[in-house]
Amino acid sequence: DGGITQSPKYLFRKEGQNVTLSCEQNLNHDAMYWYRQDPGQGLRLIYYSQIVNDFQKGDIAEGYSVSREKKESFPLTVTSAQKNPTAFYLCASSIRRESNEQFFGPGTRLTVL
Amino acid sequence: AQRVTQPEKLLSVFKGAPVELKCNYSYSGSPELFWYVQYSRQRLQLLLRHISRESIKGFTADLNKGETSFHLKKPFAQEEDSAMYYCALKGGSSNTGKLIFGQGTTLQVKP
Repeated sequence: DGGITQSPKYLFRKEGQNVTLSCEQNLNHDAMYWYRQDPGQGLRLIYYSQIVNDFQKGDIAEGYSVSREKKESFPLTVTSAQKNPTAFYLCASSIRRESNEQFFGPGTRLTVL
Repeated sequence: AQRVTQPEKLLSVFKGAPVELKCNYSYSGSPELFWYVQYSRQRLQLLLRHISRESIKGFTADLNKGETSFHLKKPFAQEEDSAMYYCALKGGSSNTGKLIFGQGTTLQVKP
């Protein structure tokens, strides 16, 4: 089954802990993105990667980190420095950075207890 | 500043009524605009893009550069159109693929 997968679907974290959200795609897409979705605020870009071993900060990168060691994987770490981490996180990919269409994963809901 | 504004959080209409979901943008240069849709329990997906000038599921959207708008329209709403709709602008200084999303509008089509 092709597409983008995110795991886990739900994640609970205690304050002060780092947590890593998984995003994998088998579409052979070059570009990958992480968004945060909050009610009333739409989607906001956290980080994006246009090619393996390269990534750039988005609009709200503080408190987050990413890596892009493999083309198909773009994990997001939510660190303890992120002040308000409870949110719905969406991963997306596109064929190449110039592509007009992004394909989205099912999302991970992170709750900090 | 590059920005997308969707002024309505919720739009509620009856089946068969016309629908217009508003989207205004702020961008210097030639914008590329999109509408994405998220149906209940489904993934966010592309509905249409202004470059294609296409009609998808009866929806159309025209780019109005004078009014900096890209409103989504459908002449006769169906119950299956109920979803969250996001207007998006391709931003960034070069072809980075970055999308700037609006706040989203929930469309509720009542029977």
